[in-house]
Amino acid sequence: DVKVTQSSRYLVKRTGEKVFLECVQDMDHENMFWYRQDPGLGLRLIYFSYDVKMKEKGDIPEGYSVSREKKERFSLILESASTNQTSMYLCASSFKRGFTEAFFGQGTRLTVV
Amino acid sequence: AQKITQTQPGMFVQEKEAVTLDCTYDTSDPSYGLFWYKQPSSGEMIFLIYQGSYDQQNATEGRYSLNFQKARKSANLVISASQLGDSAMYFCAMREGSGGSYIPTFGRGTSLIVHP
Repeated sequence: DVKVTQSSRYLVKRTGEKVFLECVQDMDHENMFWYRQDPGLGLRLIYFSYDVKMKEKGDIPEGYSVSREKKERFSLILESASTNQTSMYLCASSFKRGFTEAFFGQGTRLTVV
Repeated sequence: AQKITQTQPGMFVQEKEAVTLDCTYDTSDPSYGLFWYKQPSSGEMIFLIYQGSYDQQNATEGRYSLNFQKARKSANLVISASQLGDSAMYFCAMREGSGGSYIPTFGRGTSLIVHP
């Protein structure tokens, strides 16, 4: 059974903390993505990676960074968490080419207080 | 400009009836794929159905079908014989090919509630 696994389902962090969201996939996918989901706004792309150590900014990269040291793992980093980063974060992966579907993790609901 | 537009924030349907969820898209790329995902209240995104831009026939997967009208750039999801378990958020998405980098772009979603 193919899997994308996010390290936490729920997180509560304090303003100013450095936050790490981890994502692991076991499908040997080249592409990995981090999306943010807010009510009424759908899924917005934060960053994506098409290969190890490669990363590209998405639509809303401000306040975030990413790391991809191994093909199967893609980390999202909030350098200094703020309350406006309270949201649902979804990790996804897919093959690099073609029109196959993306596979998603279960999501991390992050609350910054 | 939004690449994927879902104009129905919320929809209601009676159990066992059919419902259509609207999706229009914007691309100049001749090669693209269109997807629908379901997100129940638990949060996971479930892939439902896919339509390629060169596919001649509308895609179908069980009770799901995609009404693809290329000239109108619409890709509506039709759910036949709705069930209570169909209550969820539904997202339309697109991956562009030759001009893009195959990154999935999503609409804002439609919340479907199925009444008994």
